[in-house]
Amino acid sequence: DQQVKQNSPSLSVQEGRISILNCDYTNSMFDYFLWYKKYPAEGPTFLISISSIKDKNEDGRFTVFLNKSAKHLSLHIVPSQPGDSAVYFCAASLIYDQGGKLIFGQGTELSVKP
Amino acid sequence: NAGVTQTPKFQVLKTGQSMTLQCAQDMNHEYMSWYRQDPGMGLRLIHYSVGAGITDQGEVPNGYNVSRSTTEDFPLRLLSAAPSQTSVYFCASRYGQGGEKLFFGSGTQLSVL
Repeated sequence: DQQVKQNSPSLSVQEGRISILNCDYTNSMFDYFLWYKKYPAEGPTFLISISSIKDKNEDGRFTVFLNKSAKHLSLHIVPSQPGDSAVYFCAASLIYDQGGKLIFGQGTELSVKP
Repeated sequence: NAGVTQTPKFQVLKTGQSMTLQCAQDMNHEYMSWYRQDPGMGLRLIHYSVGAGITDQGEVPNGYNVSRSTTEDFPLRLLSAAPSQTSVYFCASRYGQGGEKLFFGSGTQLSVL
């Protein structure tokens, strides 16, 4: 069973507009959430994270929102830039369980058009 | 600072062959792990290690072996390759035991014919 789900395989956005990437999870015990960005032929790189005790975390153009009651998190990119075109993975973990392993979603491919 | 280094970058195997994917990190990280990436499946955890001499299974461990004799190295062994193991493999590491961010290598693209 997929504990972390990204139901949109792809998203296309115009440069300068907002990109919203969504992620749902099933395990209410997850206590830490992360977003990774991946370019072709490269490994994923960390983008932003949020602890379950918060509902929002900002880092420049990137903001992650967490809705624990809905078991949903989202990544907002404002304004979107062509260099943001990549695959975005959300991930969740149980910090004190089994070494804090990360469970990843399927990924969403973002395309930002000039 | 090299970070996480994976070799080789590309490999083609025949069914039944064995090989080892190498992973080394120079950040003195305690935690290391192996993931595979397949279309529509995201990144799935194969095996992980919380320190030298300690390994454990992830979501998809069948067909793979690991060992952790040093802090720096975490090789992944395919004992008898199968076409279902065609994938892109990523090694990752982090300092602590918690769920903090992982640092990934650049990947090994493996094809099993």
